[in-house]
Amino acid sequence: EAQVTQNPRYLITVTGKKLTVTCSQNMNHEYMSWYRQDPGLGLRQIYYSMNVEVTDKGDVPEGYKVSRKEKRNFPLILESPSPNQTSLYFCASSSADDNQPQHFGDGTRLSIL
Amino acid sequence: GENVEQHPSTLSVQEGDSAVIKCTYSDSASNYFPWYKQELGKGPQLIIDIRSNVGEKKDQRIAVTLNKTAKHFSLHITETQPEDSAVYFCAASSIDSWGKLQFGAGTQVVVTP
Repeated sequence: EAQVTQNPRYLITVTGKKLTVTCSQNMNHEYMSWYRQDPGLGLRQIYYSMNVEVTDKGDVPEGYKVSRKEKRNFPLILESPSPNQTSLYFCASSSADDNQPQHFGDGTRLSIL
Repeated sequence: GENVEQHPSTLSVQEGDSAVIKCTYSDSASNYFPWYKQELGKGPQLIIDIRSNVGEKKDQRIAVTLNKTAKHFSLHITETQPEDSAVYFCAASSIDSWGKLQFGAGTQVVVTP
């Protein structure tokens, strides 16, 4: 089954404790992206990657890091989480063909206390 | 950069009636306009998309219209059913910013029996 898998699905942690949210896709997609979803703001892009070892900032990259060492994986790293990073996070992937639809994971709800 | 505005933020309809959600965009270079449906606890799922060389597209009870001159596009759901209750997001992207989707803030649709 074609899917985007995020882990963990839920996490409550404290300010300053480094955390990583993993994202994996099994569709051999070139493009992967991270979004955060906040009430009234829709989905805002954090970082995206066009292919292995190619990453770029989205609209709200501050406080986040990403890496793309393998085509299927695109982890999101919060080196020193803060309460304003409490949010619902989604990973997405798509083919490199012109504007192919993005497939989303089921989300990771992060609470930073 | 692209800015997408979506209205209304909430929409309550009687089962069997039609629902219309409207979005406007700012970047005349945008050429791809997907619509996503997000159910509780799930990631957004593509329900229909339209490209700039087409004015209208229909898939069963769902249709999307695009007016490039006015820079707006709309989602139409006919004969609404309770399972249409969800949050709907419009988005836009251009071939110059491939994969960089800009989302609207979302519309909560509630279909009452």
